[in-house]
Amino acid sequence: ETGVTQSPTHLIKTRGQQVTLRCSSQSGHNTVSWYQQALGQGPQFIFQYYREEENGRGNFPPRFSGLQFPNYSSELNVNALELDDSALYLCASSFPVGDYGYTFGSGTRLTVV
Amino acid sequence: AQRVTQPEKLLSVFKGAPVELKCNYSYSGSPELFWYVQYSRQRLQLLLRHISRESIKGFTADLNKGETSFHLKKPFAQEEDSAMYYCALSGTAGSNYKLTFGKGTLLTVNP
Repeated sequence: ETGVTQSPTHLIKTRGQQVTLRCSSQSGHNTVSWYQQALGQGPQFIFQYYREEENGRGNFPPRFSGLQFPNYSSELNVNALELDDSALYLCASSFPVGDYGYTFGSGTRLTVV
Repeated sequence: AQRVTQPEKLLSVFKGAPVELKCNYSYSGSPELFWYVQYSRQRLQLLLRHISRESIKGFTADLNKGETSFHLKKPFAQEEDSAMYYCALSGTAGSNYKLTFGKGTLLTVNP
């Protein structure tokens, strides 16, 4: 049984650019959530996907968008990057919806310069 | 609005001493409470959840609805308990499945 894998592990982008982060959920998990963790802070909920549909969203602007694919993997897209978007982005998968026993990935460290 | 407060950023104890990591929450309803732990160079993982009422690695946490608290306790700390601990809350109503995390407490257990 594989865990949650995220790619890439590190990324440096320039302000105004766009970025795509990827997540493969744990085998058998059909729900994927994304979190942003700024330095010294706890993870903040961005959104959740279940069966390829958005199933809840946190207080993030529309330039944060996502996708879930039929194999339950997911992407997080961020447009028009800002310096404050620099953070660790965590993906977490779970099954079924409502089971809060999330399995977290190691995260993608995004730096915006 | 959901909010989780962990008042201590850092907590340092000696091996064998009791440890208590504090967590207070704000939520208008019946929340589900969790403790997550992140050991050095490892990913965030679930330690325990209040509905299961388990003791994991010697840790327990009791939900006190009157004081809106969910403190994590262990009677005898071990060096391997040194880690970052996050308290988290999720509402049970409707489709509110998001986890709201506190800022975390870094526990150091000294030999």
